[in-house]
Amino acid sequence: IAGITQAPTSQILAAGRRMTLRCTQDMRHNAMYWYRQDLGLGLRLIHYSNTAGTTGKGEVPDGYSVSRANTDDFPLTLASAVPSQTSVYFCASSVTSGRALGEQFFGPGTRLTVL
Amino acid sequence: AQSVSQHNHHVILSEAASLELGCNYSYGGTVNLFWYVQYPGQHLQLLLKYFSGDPLVKGIKGFEAEFIKSKFSFNLRKPSVQWSDTAEYFCAVISRFTDKLIFGTGTRLQVFP
Repeated sequence: IAGITQAPTSQILAAGRRMTLRCTQDMRHNAMYWYRQDLGLGLRLIHYSNTAGTTGKGEVPDGYSVSRANTDDFPLTLASAVPSQTSVYFCASSVTSGRALGEQFFGPGTRLTVL
Repeated sequence: AQSVSQHNHHVILSEAASLELGCNYSYGGTVNLFWYVQYPGQHLQLLLKYFSGDPLVKGIKGFEAEFIKSKFSFNLRKPSVQWSDTAEYFCAVISRFTDKLIFGTGTRLQVFP
């Protein structure tokens, strides 16, 4: 593994179903993030975690949950998917202090379609 | 609240034309500034960054950006674009005192041969 991996690459999901998007990083970064990217809206932060064991809400957290049991993994769960959650989801990671503050590394994304 | 504005939503250029994409932010404190690029079908990659020092920052593929503190701006420039520069470009800002990177809504650049 080099950098950030996400799975699945794409998924079509029926409304009401539960779905977990996986994200793993091997850079030992403290912080991890989940964004959704929608046309005309750019990237919007869903949830974040500054360190293992802690999580926080971003700009658009409703309908999503996350956990951070260890440094490397940061799964995003849609408990009951709705069509408005159709989007491309990007996971990212970064350090949380020092000169490189804010420099985030992104995964390849998961394209999710909720029907 | 901290915000980032990208003035150009869609830019169309011919190869060899010069490029300037605007970015303004609202936060008045010390900030780190970034430009990310997203090529079609790919994830975001760092193009260049400003942390401190020389306000003219050079990045990959001939891009540069100038931090003008008095104008709260961090505009991206390239003297001569290529077809391969076709992508979406995102400006992003983080304050030294917060833990959230704020993105602009992006500028879609199309370069025609």
